[in-house]
Amino acid sequence: DIQMTQSPSSLSASVGDRVTITCRASQDISYYLAWYQQKPGKVPKLLIYGASTLQSGVPSRFSGSGSGTEFSLTISSLQPEDVATYYCQKYYSDPYTFGPGTKVEIK
Amino acid sequence: QVQLVQSGSELKKPGASVKVSCKASGYTFTRYAVNWVRQAPGQGLEWMGWINTHTGNPTYAQDFTGRLVFSLDTSVDTAYLEINGLKADDTAVYYCARGQNFFDYWGQGTLVAVSS
Repeated sequence: DIQMTQSPSSLSASVGDRVTITCRASQDISYYLAWYQQKPGKVPKLLIYGASTLQSGVPSRFSGSGSGTEFSLTISSLQPEDVATYYCQKYYSDPYTFGPGTKVEIK
Repeated sequence: QVQLVQSGSELKKPGASVKVSCKASGYTFTRYAVNWVRQAPGQGLEWMGWINTHTGNPTYAQDFTGRLVFSLDTSVDTAYLEINGLKADDTAVYYCARGQNFFDYWGQGTLVAVSS
């Protein structure tokens, strides 16, 4: 099975900072990659699919890029409401594995 | 609006079975797959499999083969997850989620606790 990794596992940044999270797949998954945000105690929320397509209603400060085996999620200007754990998920083929998550906190 | 509403929390003993429901509304149920994802306390998301709501054909993640049953009642737009032979490490929040591959709507989650 294709394995998904994320880095860093956690980060702390200031409000207004640009934040980038990396997701790597152990094999080529083309652009079949989604990103989710899960705030503490809440349900996961789809942010991005197709590696770079923003889900409707998601703020434009979120963006995704990459293809093949390396992907990134960028928050252009970190806001307090962005405190959450972010997961990537591959859907090239099942199993639709999630990455281990990156916890984002405010410094 | 699209909603997935799951059944309430469950407390089960090891070896027992549990059945979680996921009732969909606000869209044509048979046009979108239903996936099941679980999250153990303090842990990440684990995909369990999906069911084709048009054909009823289930696909199970390898780690769960033999213990899970996905089913449907399309007359009430509801998907079900049944887990047999519960173990303590099945304690988790179980989510249903809509989508063929990525998941745009999620249920609120159902806590299943397994303890003797």
